[in-house]
Amino acid sequence: SQELEQSPQSLIVQEGKNLTINCTSSKTLYGLYWYKQKYGEGLIFLMMLQKGGEEKSHEKITAKLDEKKQQSSLHITASQPSHAGIYLCGATIMRFGAGTRLTVKP
Amino acid sequence: NAGVMQNPRHLVRRRGQEARLRCSPMKGHSHVYWYRQLPEEGLKFMVYLQKENIIDESGMPKERFSAEFPKEGPSILRIQQVVRGDSAAYFCASSPGNPSLNQPQHFGDGTRLSIL
Repeated sequence: SQELEQSPQSLIVQEGKNLTINCTSSKTLYGLYWYKQKYGEGLIFLMMLQKGGEEKSHEKITAKLDEKKQQSSLHITASQPSHAGIYLCGATIMRFGAGTRLTVKP
Repeated sequence: NAGVMQNPRHLVRRRGQEARLRCSPMKGHSHVYWYRQLPEEGLKFMVYLQKENIIDESGMPKERFSAEFPKEGPSILRIQQVVRGDSAAYFCASSPGNPSLNQPQHFGDGTRLSIL
């Protein structure tokens, strides 16, 4: 089965700093979802990437899919406390990475 | 348009009791997925159902766990004779059709099950 590995597992950044979260697949990625989970709540869909080289943005969050590397990256520009939470990548259906826990210090 | 509704949000049971978790999918969604999340861990797929059918239950323990999605009413995840290890957050998600990259799943806020 396809395994997704996220890095880093946790991240603490100062407000205003940029950051990147990576998601690497053990198998070829034909597409990928990114979700955000606030502590104690459900998952919020952020974006979906389908094509190699595709890049999408949602407010200050940008995600790319690199099929050759079987990897996707999620980049947050000028982080805010509201960005804090757990970011999860998901591939095909029903498979998720373990998540990256983001803390943004004011 | 209401999102995926799960209830209860919190459920406390004693060892040996039964736990019933309910999930009402988004309006127009006929596919339901159940996941379990242990503290500090990611989401683990349990079961995927379409109305009145179990499509994939490969992630569900063979004993004590069962799921249904009747023609009318919410999907139910049932855990019999609960044990301490069943303590977790259980999330439900729904999608309008066959799971694919064109139809992301929408998640409920989860049910946090605690076993005393």
